[in-house]
Amino acid sequence: DTGVSQDPRHKITKRGQNVTFRCDPISEHNRLYWYRQTLGQGPEFLTYFQNEAQLEKSRLLSDRFSAERPKGSFSTLEIQRTEQGDSAMYLCASSAGGTRTDTQYFGPGTRLTVL
Amino acid sequence: AQKITQTQPGMFVQEKEAVTLDCTYDTSDPSYGLFWYKQPSSGEMIFLIYQGSYDQQNATEGRYSLNFQKARKSANLVISASQLGDSAMYFCAMRSGNTPLVFGKGTRLSVIA
Repeated sequence: DTGVSQDPRHKITKRGQNVTFRCDPISEHNRLYWYRQTLGQGPEFLTYFQNEAQLEKSRLLSDRFSAERPKGSFSTLEIQRTEQGDSAMYLCASSAGGTRTDTQYFGPGTRLTVL
Repeated sequence: AQKITQTQPGMFVQEKEAVTLDCTYDTSDPSYGLFWYKQPSSGEMIFLIYQGSYDQQNATEGRYSLNFQKARKSANLVISASQLGDSAMYFCAMRSGNTPLVFGKGTRLSVIA
């Protein structure tokens, strides 16, 4: 059973460019979450999907951010017109849903640096 | 609103000793779950242990145990027989209902040989 995978692991971009990250959840997990983690802080929720439906978005998710999960499997997170404040670790997690604990399992993250 | 507070930015422990990492939480929901995750320098969040608000017994997973004191709203993580590989950031998190996980700021644990 493979864990959650994310690609790329590192991304360096110039301010104003668009970037896209991919997350592949644990197979058969129907819930998928995106978090952002800045230095010295815990992860902060961005958005989550139940299958292909995006059910909740944080106010942190500005108009420049968009996430998709088109077939209910992998997900992409796109940031348009990146700003230096977008520099952070972007973490993806998945869970099976429907269980008492509904534990979220995380991927290795994508570290974004905006120059 | 839910909130997690971890008051220890950093902790040191001697190898083979036990260490307690503090976590207090705030929620008005009577049904909630508490989680601890470990984050090594590689960045991946590793799930360690879970405690449900209605669980009668403290959760244990190998060398990890959770000291759950509901009246005090605390959920401290106890690591027994510390190993060098335990050096990492540790995050306490909470979820109630279908809300997303809310994390604390974490505690950096350093295990000394």
